[in-house]
Amino acid sequence: GNSVTQMEGPVTLSEEAFLTINCTYTATGYPSLFWYVQYPGEGLQLLLKATKADDKGSNKGFEATYRKETTSFHLEKGSVQVSDSAVYFCALSDRRDSSYKLIFGSGTRLLVRP
Amino acid sequence: GAVVSQHPSWVICKSGTSVKIECRSLDFQATTMFWYRQFPKQSLMLMATSNEGSKATYEQGVEKDKFLINHASLTLSTLTVTSAHPEDSSFYICSARDPNIQYFGAGTRLSVL
Repeated sequence: GNSVTQMEGPVTLSEEAFLTINCTYTATGYPSLFWYVQYPGEGLQLLLKATKADDKGSNKGFEATYRKETTSFHLEKGSVQVSDSAVYFCALSDRRDSSYKLIFGSGTRLLVRP
Repeated sequence: GAVVSQHPSWVICKSGTSVKIECRSLDFQATTMFWYRQFPKQSLMLMATSNEGSKATYEQGVEKDKFLINHASLTLSTLTVTSAHPEDSSFYICSARDPNIQYFGAGTRLSVL
């Protein structure tokens, strides 16, 4: 079945450091891939998405490229800020599933120190 | 982006009572909404898929008589936790599909005493 694996956290960085959060997936079809962010006590916000191989999603300085050959969708940011501290979820949806259910990874907590 | 409103944001109730949580899509119509449960520091667990005008589809292991879902209109789905017990205390999050992206509510923290 379909699944998403994320690197375990927490990830602790100093402000302006480079961020990478690894995400790999297993899917029988051609999934769409997403990164969601959850700030403390809140629901999830869509950060970025990619719907086909080699697509690059980007938003607020974050980027992720859909790599079919390595089944990966790693999240990167060149210079993190304290306000980026949150939990980041990688997710996929199988476009063959008409309900567009999301399958989430376990989440990676990011803590950015001043 | 699309906005999903979830209400209430926090509810405390006595054991044995029922609690209703509302999920509304404010600026779009959603034929499909989802209900998730999240335990502290864990990922989201899909409870059920709610389809407007039809019965919800529950994930394996989720008690449909315990967690009643009603999707009576294209902008509103409700989750009722019936006869709540302390083990039902959790963070419940809804999402609405528009058309192939899920937009999430801010979540409801349920505390059962």
